[in-house]
Amino acid sequence: SQQGEEDPQALSIQEGENATMNCSYKTSINNLQWYRQNSGRGLVHLILIRSNEREKHSGRLRVTLDTSKKSSSLLITASRAADTASYFCATDTGRRALTFGSGTRLQVQP
Amino acid sequence: DTAVSQTPKYLVTQMGNDKSIKCEQNLGHDTMYWYKQDSKKFLKIMFSYNNKELIINETVPNRFSPKSPDKAHLNLHINSLELGDSAVYFCASSPATGYQETQYFGPGTRLLVL
Repeated sequence: SQQGEEDPQALSIQEGENATMNCSYKTSINNLQWYRQNSGRGLVHLILIRSNEREKHSGRLRVTLDTSKKSSSLLITASRAADTASYFCATDTGRRALTFGSGTRLQVQP
Repeated sequence: DTAVSQTPKYLVTQMGNDKSIKCEQNLGHDTMYWYKQDSKKFLKIMFSYNNKELIINETVPNRFSPKSPDKAHLNLHINSLELGDSAVYFCASSPATGYQETQYFGPGTRLLVL
């Protein structure tokens, strides 16, 4: 099974609504990162949260990290059609490589 | 001003052929990676190089051979292609190993083996 697993697998909302995606992982981490992938494109880094941080903000993004539950959430506020993409969490477990989940596909309806 | 570039973008080939994918980064990063993204969108690390030295080889068949002529380039050669090799291959780079800084991804190479 995967180190990082996102939930839900797919999410469809209306423009202006908030979108929340969750990520669970299995082993202890140094940091957790969220990436976005637009259809047919490469991944783009959104935000990094270190294991000693609990919450981080960047523009309309809010990330939380609960190391006791081995979970993280990504909240996108006031979503826009341009936010339509797949969102991946990735964990750094000290193996010198990130471990990615299979992503949440977000569809924002205009 | 492309940061991480890959060629080709699309690759359609027959089973048994040998093919190469090239990757270049102009970010001055020390570490480069190859990932494979399957049809279910799951992204898996294949190789990692730091300053031309192999760091990670994640149980990838011997048919896959990475080559790093300098720290700005990491190419992937695949021998005797199989149907199961069909996927999107992403190259990425990061400024350092150890604490795993942000990774910068290329646009991907879509490989279809017929």
